[in-house]
Amino acid sequence: AQTVTQSQPEMSVQEAETVTLSCTYDTSENNYYLFWYKQPPSRQMILVIRQEAYKQQNATENRFSVNFQKAAKSFSLKISDSQLGDTAMYFCAFMKTYVGNTPLVFGKGTRLSVIA
Amino acid sequence: DGGITQSPKYLFRKEGQNVTLSCEQNLNHDAMYWYRQDPGQGLRLIYYSQIVNDFQKGDIAEGYSVSREKKESFPLTVTSAQKNPTAFYLCASSDTGTGRGTGELFFGEGSRLTVL
Repeated sequence: AQTVTQSQPEMSVQEAETVTLSCTYDTSENNYYLFWYKQPPSRQMILVIRQEAYKQQNATENRFSVNFQKAAKSFSLKISDSQLGDTAMYFCAFMKTYVGNTPLVFGKGTRLSVIA
Repeated sequence: DGGITQSPKYLFRKEGQNVTLSCEQNLNHDAMYWYRQDPGQGLRLIYYSQIVNDFQKGDIAEGYSVSREKKESFPLTVTSAQKNPTAFYLCASSDTGTGRGTGELFFGEGSRLTVL
């Protein structure tokens, strides 16, 4: 079974600074997908960024980027120019394949606080 | 607007009572999921359904039941057999059954169940 580990239960960052959230996973699969989801205080889960394992290039979405290290099974999220609206729980998630609707496996989350 | 609607947002139940949480989607997605969220535990999969009239147990299915009679609807019943039902419940859907889509989960706003 796949597992996802987020080793930082809580983090904080000053506004406009950069922060990196860690995620490691365990799998024997070669093809899979990785995600970062954001859950703000409103509790609505929102997709932040997605990475396909067969792509070597790291995904980026505006201020959000990932460092995907397939051999190390590591998938960290970097948030640049942090904003107060980035305050949220962040969940790393793994999906074995997207043919057949395999459910996502989530980590326990990292609570990020952006400080003014 | 397309999306997922969960109801009720807040629900109180007495011990020994069954309760049903509603989840409706108008995204025409094939797959639907129920996750349970507890502090420090991340999201844990209860049940999922890849197609109408079919569903599979997740990691923590004991004490829960579901049905999938319509593509749009995936209600979750929390039975009296669930030992610790107080939690936040999230419903999600995805469109990955035929290889299209990105694997992304679309979430509802959640239902908070409290057992008195």
